[in-house]
Amino acid sequence: DTAVSQTPKYLVTQMGNDKSIKCEQNLGHDTMYWYKQDSKKFLKIMFSYNNKELIINETVPNRFSPKSPDKAHLNLHINSLELGDSAVYFCASSWLPAMNTEAFFGQGTRLTVV
Amino acid sequence: GIQVEQSPPDLILQEGANSTLRCNFSDSVNNLQWFHQNPWGQLINLFYIPSGTKQNGRLSATTVATERYSLLYISSSQTTDSGVYFCAVDGSSNTGKLIFGQGTTLQVKP
Repeated sequence: DTAVSQTPKYLVTQMGNDKSIKCEQNLGHDTMYWYKQDSKKFLKIMFSYNNKELIINETVPNRFSPKSPDKAHLNLHINSLELGDSAVYFCASSWLPAMNTEAFFGQGTRLTVV
Repeated sequence: GIQVEQSPPDLILQEGANSTLRCNFSDSVNNLQWFHQNPWGQLINLFYIPSGTKQNGRLSATTVATERYSLLYISSSQTTDSGVYFCAVDGSSNTGKLIFGQGTTLQVKP
């Protein structure tokens, strides 16, 4: 059983298109995250949701919109894709602090904008 | 915000050798994790270790929270150990947000 699963694994699309990445976790965690890994392999948080409520929104263009229909799912929708959006996007989940906060990551979605 | 620095940035080993990777952080942390990103890009959890020492097979880790560093030991390295090793910390944000170091790229040669 995959704990945190993302789809698709690879996504190639043209500039200007709109695309979505889906994420689901079956660990029962109350918090989910989106991280972006750039071409130099640097990982940085983008968003975090706790029980469907947005708690972290880093400096991310508003073309990126996360949506959490329930605490087991956190999807990422990207409008008007740009070349600079090409990266690997990772979904993760954990409990919030005050409990064991070990985070688990999905396998990543490699987005290529052409 | 909290800064995380890993060293060395790159490491080449012969199979069977031992190594130590270091992670320094600039402030107190609630959480510290070590990850291995394999050549297929997957982020594998190695240790959840905000303090103390843990061992898992050939790998072990020690975090000295009062001195703000953590060490990852790899013994008898194998080619499958190749990849990027990341240290990530959660400061006092109470949000679970992980701040990643820049990683150590390890290549183990047969």
